[in-house]
Amino acid sequence: AQRVTQPEKLLSVFKGAPVELKCNYSYSGSPELFWYVQYSRQRLQLLLRHISRESIKGFTADLNKGETSFHLKKPFAQEEDSAMYYCALSGGATNKLIFGTGTLLAVQP
Amino acid sequence: DAGITQSPRYKITETGRQVTLMCHQTWSHSYMFWYRQDLGHGLRLIYYSAAADITDKGEVPDGYVVSRSKTENFPLTLESATRSQTSVYFCASSESGVIYGYTFGSGTRLTVV
Repeated sequence: AQRVTQPEKLLSVFKGAPVELKCNYSYSGSPELFWYVQYSRQRLQLLLRHISRESIKGFTADLNKGETSFHLKKPFAQEEDSAMYYCALSGGATNKLIFGTGTLLAVQP
Repeated sequence: DAGITQSPRYKITETGRQVTLMCHQTWSHSYMFWYRQDLGHGLRLIYYSAAADITDKGEVPDGYVVSRSKTENFPLTLESATRSQTSVYFCASSESGVIYGYTFGSGTRLTVV
């Protein structure tokens, strides 16, 4: 079964501090993994995809198949990063996304 | 950019009533999805559609009905609303594969009293 686990409901950091949002997944095949972000009063939007190996707004995420993790990192948090972050997984040919429960990131001034 | 729109934005209904949430997209995306967002549960897939007249159940389909007679529309109907269906509902669409990401609507906040 496909499953995404985000162990932290809330992560509070100070501006300028490093950020790591944890995501672990369960899937027997080769997964496609994503991070989505939802800013206050806005719709969910795609932040980054593991297949692109990109950096968006200073965020990066590396797929670790051995640890089945896809943690989201940023070296220096900004106040505008405050939002709800969702890790999501797609496996097989279903084109469905399975989301984690989300982590609320609060960046304090 | 209103490529995918949901209506209404807010809805209050009574237990037992039928409610339909609308979703319309202007891109002719093949795939469309309905999720509900609840605290502690994240987003859970209710139903999805790969094309017009093709729909399938997601994780939590009970109590919901969908149809897709036209590519651009994907309405979600609660046949007999219950309080447990109080939630924020998101519609999403995808062109040709999840790898390109989903585009989400703004959501409908439904309260069942």
